Amino acid sequence: DAKTTQPPSMDCAEGRAANLPCNHSTISGNEYVYWYRQIHSQGPQYIIHGLKNNETNEMASLIITEDRKSSTLILPHATLRDTAVYYCIVNLSGNQFYFGTGTSLTVIP
Amino acid sequence: GAVVSQHPSWVICKSGTSVKIECRSLDFQATTMFWYRQFPKQSLMLMATSNEGSKATYEQGVEKDKFLINHASLTLSTLTVTSAHPEDSSFYICSPTGQGAPNTEAFFGQGTRLTVV
Repeated sequence: DAKTTQPPSMDCAEGRAANLPCNHSTISGNEYVYWYRQIHSQGPQYIIHGLKNNETNEMASLIITEDRKSSTLILPHATLRDTAVYYCIVNLSGNQFYFGTGTSLTVIP
Repeated sequence: GAVVSQHPSWVICKSGTSVKIECRSLDFQATTMFWYRQFPKQSLMLMATSNEGSKATYEQGVEKDKFLINHASLTLSTLTVTSAHPEDSSFYICSPTGQGAPNTEAFFGQGTRLTVV
């Protein structure tokens, strides 16, 4: 599976948009980009995934560059409950995952 | 989304004893189960993959005789940490998949915090 690179930590003010970047320059044409988050001492929670097109759901938006070598997860209005570690993963399917180190997002009141 | 139940959520055991962790898929048949562990301040690491009715496949560096996986049922898989030692203290997480489960995302159990004293 392609490796991903994420900043180790980020801060975001409550109510503002949180933009979490991810580089996946070695992604292959049929690999999806997945985003999960893990709140302390809980199992990972699915957020969103995409292949080529930008995606939006009730939790977040996913922006994938045209060359697919990077993507950005956007939490439009961050709340304190969004404080978590966010993992960007590229994978052929939504099953066996190899997690990177992720980005620890802290939402500040 | 799929419903996954992992039990117990936390356990403390004495060094040398064995601990069993259960993972159930409540609304689909888990033909495959992934087991992960997570040490403090680290990411999730895949430990092993098991298919129902078959022996598990372990990732490099994971002792198969220490971490016994049973996947005899399509709704239940267990991970037994045998002769546990303090270095086995970790957060263990299961992730089932299979027939009836959405193939576009993975679902995870709530995790089990194991502390060996």
